[in-house]
Amino acid sequence: AQSVSQHNHHVILSEAASLELGCNYSYGGTVNLFWYVQYPGQHLQLLLKYFSGDPLVKGIKGFEAEFIKSKFSFNLRKPSVQWSDTAEYFCAVTSSYIPTFGRGTSLIVHP
Amino acid sequence: EADIYQTPRYLVIGTGKKITLECSQTMGHDKMYWYQQDPGMELHLIHYSYGVNSTEKGDLSSESTVSRIRTEHFPLTLESARPSHTSQYLCASSESGDASYGYTFGSGTRLTVV
Repeated sequence: AQSVSQHNHHVILSEAASLELGCNYSYGGTVNLFWYVQYPGQHLQLLLKYFSGDPLVKGIKGFEAEFIKSKFSFNLRKPSVQWSDTAEYFCAVTSSYIPTFGRGTSLIVHP
Repeated sequence: EADIYQTPRYLVIGTGKKITLECSQTMGHDKMYWYQQDPGMELHLIHYSYGVNSTEKGDLSSESTVSRIRTEHFPLTLESARPSHTSQYLCASSESGDASYGYTFGSGTRLTVV
């Protein structure tokens, strides 16, 4: 069975700081990778996704993620966070059509 | 704004009651999913469907049941609610099996069983 680990459960940053959220998965086959964001009081939204090709993918709101196959990782990055980035971030993996989510990382950005 | 609609948004109910959480989507997606989400925990897949008359249990044991009589409707039913069922329930759908376009989530139903 596949699993997803998000190492940072709570992250607190000041505005303009750089962000990197870790995500590792365990599955030896072909996977599709996603990052979702859940802003306070809102539903989960797709931030970015990787299926194939360039391992560096760019998403909405200045976020990007890098797929490193040898490390089974798909870390999320943003060079300069804003207060509005305060949210819960979930990494997800799909294989055989079944999605698996990590436990999420709560990001708080202080103005 | 999500194209998946979940009702009710909040529900407080007594132990032993039967409840149905509604989920409807207007996108014509074949694949639909129910997740259970507790604060600081993974989203746990409890049920999924690949299309009409198709339902499967997810990796989290659940006492709930689902049905898929119509493409757009995927309700979840608890025959006898217990305090252990207190959680947030999220419904999602995808256009394709590998979710090439990602999953679309509803706003969730926060259930409290007292």
